[in-house]
Amino acid sequence: GENVEQHPSTLSVQEGDSAVIKCTYSDSASNYFPWYKQELGKRPQLIIDIRSNVGEKKDQRIAVTLNKTAKHFSLHITETQPEDSAVYFCAASGNAGNMLTFGGGTRLMVKP
Amino acid sequence: DAGVIQSPRHEVTEMGQEVTLRCKPISGHNSLFWYRQTMMRGLELLIYFNNNVPIDDSGMPEDRFSAKMPNASFSTLKIQPSEPRDSAVYFCASSFTNTGELFFGEGSRLTVL
Repeated sequence: GENVEQHPSTLSVQEGDSAVIKCTYSDSASNYFPWYKQELGKRPQLIIDIRSNVGEKKDQRIAVTLNKTAKHFSLHITETQPEDSAVYFCAASGNAGNMLTFGGGTRLMVKP
Repeated sequence: DAGVIQSPRHEVTEMGQEVTLRCKPISGHNSLFWYRQTMMRGLELLIYFNNNVPIDDSGMPEDRFSAKMPNASFSTLKIQPSEPRDSAVYFCASSFTNTGELFFGEGSRLTVL
């Protein structure tokens, strides 16, 4: 089955700096790569996703890049703000319908 | 739509007791997932239903765990008998099969003493 590795497990940045979280996946058939944000005590919520037919997608301060050859994808957050502090999960799904395999999560802390 | 609705939000029980968690997916969604979240193991997929039929239950830890989806608007996850190591937050999520985006419920926090 699919295996998703996520790094780093924790990330601390100063407000206004950029943050980058990286994920690798194992199943070359995977074609959908979402990112979820989970605030403390809350549910995971989708913040951005990318499909295998594009290499990059941007939505205001967040962007995701995908390298299918290397089987890795990354989340980029620019001009970080304290409210960006949360746990971020990457995920991948392939030919097993829409069943997502999640990475281990990255705890992002943005210091004011 | 009210989103995915889970109950109970919190459950504290003693080892050996039966626990039943409930989920109402978003109306019209045809896929339903049960996840377990712990600090040590992260988000683990337990079981996945498509059109009320279990598709993949390879994540169910052992025979003590069972899940049902009797109709398109209701699912249960049952643990019998419960053990302290089952303590976790259990999330239910639903989606349209063809879009992939998962919508999570608020979760059920289970504590087994």
